[in-house]
Amino acid sequence: KAGVTQTPRYLIKTRGQQVTLSCSPISGHRSVSWYQQTPGQGLQFLFEYFSETQRNKGNFPGRFSGRQFSNSRSEMNVSTLELGDSALYLCASRFGPQTPGDTQYFGPGTRLTVL
Amino acid sequence: AQSVAQPEDQVNVAEGNPLTVKCTYSVSGNPYLFWYVQYPNRGLQFLLKYITGDNLVKGSYGFEAEFNKSQTSFHLKKPSALVSDSALYFCASSGGGSYIPTFGRGTSLIVHP
Repeated sequence: KAGVTQTPRYLIKTRGQQVTLSCSPISGHRSVSWYQQTPGQGLQFLFEYFSETQRNKGNFPGRFSGRQFSNSRSEMNVSTLELGDSALYLCASRFGPQTPGDTQYFGPGTRLTVL
Repeated sequence: AQSVAQPEDQVNVAEGNPLTVKCTYSVSGNPYLFWYVQYPNRGLQFLLKYITGDNLVKGSYGFEAEFNKSQTSFHLKKPSALVSDSALYFCASSGGGSYIPTFGRGTSLIVHP
């Protein structure tokens, strides 16, 4: 079974631009979560989508948004990029959002660099 | 609110020696506990989890973890470390009404030849 895939793997943008990252979950998984990983802050939860609806949201500004399609694929968008948005963005999938013991499986991440 | 602490930023161990990476948690109610490993420029790989039952959980690559309710700990262990085990290890917990895992800040494991 194929794992979680993320595209692109690397991105370089300049301040003020916007970016869209894509995630395809494991087949059969309907929940997709997004995390931001930085050396200083560790792993921070952005949001989780299930059945095309945002079910949970972390403490990030409105510049960070996401969506999920009917095939469970998800995209996240960051508008008006800031230098501090440089990070590894990780996507994780699991069967559903309401089972705390359900394992999340992570993709390889998208490394975003903002210049 | 739940929290996860990994008290050591870095753990150094010689190849062939046993290793322990520490994790303590704070969750109201029953915790669900996870260990992940991250190699450079890669995502997190699932190692093992505790849901209920036996306090000793066995996982991938020879790793195991011991759930200790009284000490609210879930330490990761391996009897004999390999150089290839060198990576960043994350402990996570969910439960207590929260379905979103909370991650620790990670522990860098360095295994010396």
